[in-house]
Amino acid sequence: EPEVTQTPSHQVTQMGQEVILRCVPISNHLYFYWYRQILGQKVEFLVSFYNNEISEKSEIFDDQFSVERPDGSNFTLKIRSTKLEDSAMYFCASSRGRGQETQYFGPGTRLLVL
Amino acid sequence: SQQGEEDPQALSIQEGENATMNCSYKTSINNLQWYRQNSGRGLVHLILIRSNEREKHSGRLRVTLDTSKKSSSLLITASRAADTASYFCATDGGIGGSEKLVFGKGTKLTVNP
Repeated sequence: EPEVTQTPSHQVTQMGQEVILRCVPISNHLYFYWYRQILGQKVEFLVSFYNNEISEKSEIFDDQFSVERPDGSNFTLKIRSTKLEDSAMYFCASSRGRGQETQYFGPGTRLLVL
Repeated sequence: SQQGEEDPQALSIQEGENATMNCSYKTSINNLQWYRQNSGRGLVHLILIRSNEREKHSGRLRVTLDTSKKSSSLLITASRAADTASYFCATDGGIGGSEKLVFGKGTKLTVNP
């Protein structure tokens, strides 16, 4: 069964450093998402992406964040200058369409900012 | 704001018993989805129920949706130790609304062998 994959599974970085989190969505899906979950808290929406552009973003997704689909398979989340509070589990998700479509999540990247 | 909120926050049962978790939300939806998360791991999709559906089954899972009460329940029958996990409901933004999912805090289920 196709699944969303994410790399790396864990990343440790120093405050102020740039990180790129990578995702390979399910191949015939058109909508892509990033969510994050700070330890012990709810899963929070960051951004959705369709047709090579951001379709929606949350207030968390400020200028430090960017997303890109550099080729036909990868979907990346970049954090330009990490802060301590960026430490979280980051989940990529994809869906075939919007509306009544299931969003399938990847296994997550656990980011620790020191 | 739209929000899925589960109750109870924690549930501990014996293997073989049924587990029922509830979710409430505030605004109109297209669908409601239930996910499972093993400790520190990814989100596994369990079931999606559309706003025009009242009940849905998948194996040992039964989900109900009452749009008039803005609530849903997830029933796991004949629970197993392997069902131990956190369970989340997630709602979207309704017809013409946002496709982002809004998650509740989850119910932490422990199934004791």
